[in-house]
Amino acid sequence: KQEVTQIPAALSVPEGENLVLNCSFTDSAIYNLQWFRQDPGKGLTSLLLIQSSQREQTSGRLNASLDKSSGRSTLYIAASQPGDSATYLCAADSWGKFQFGAGTQVVVTP
Amino acid sequence: GAVVSQHPSRVICKSGTSVKIECRSLDFQATTMFWYRQFPKQSLMLMATSNEGSKATYEQGVEKDKFLINHASLTLSTLTVTSAHPEDSSFYICSARDLGPSYNEQFFGPGTRLTVL
Repeated sequence: KQEVTQIPAALSVPEGENLVLNCSFTDSAIYNLQWFRQDPGKGLTSLLLIQSSQREQTSGRLNASLDKSSGRSTLYIAASQPGDSATYLCAADSWGKFQFGAGTQVVVTP
Repeated sequence: GAVVSQHPSRVICKSGTSVKIECRSLDFQATTMFWYRQFPKQSLMLMATSNEGSKATYEQGVEKDKFLINHASLTLSTLTVTSAHPEDSSFYICSARDLGPSYNEQFFGPGTRLTVL
């Protein structure tokens, strides 16, 4: 069974610093890996989707890498802003099902 | 991107009543939809996979008679929480896979907050 772990569980940084969020998964037979953002009491916003054949994806200040062999994905957020404060979830798509990590709660202070 | 809606966004009901939650893919067709629940401060847990025209597949530990799923069309799946109790209070989120070019991406609904008194 796929298990997804996110470290750290919480992170607080001053505005302007770069954020590095880690996601690890136990079964490398994934179809893709997706990063989401969730604001308190809200649904999920998809940030980046990395196909299993890809090594990284970029969108604006966000960059996500994928290393299937080591079972890791990393989300980088450059020049963080207070509006980036949220919980970030990664999910591994294995055998047609998503397995979510517990998330990293990020607070960016002005 | 593709849009998935849920209705209602919030529902409060008395213990013992049944509650139906709708999940719709607005601008694409989805043969497969997924239902998740999320408890406070926890991640999403997959409850079941809903397949259009066939029975849903439930995850281990999820009572199929408690959480009835119907996927009657390529754009609509419903989750009915039968005889709801306070422990069923949770945030329920659905997602749908696009049949088109974005087939391998799941699009999520905004969620439904269920509170059972």
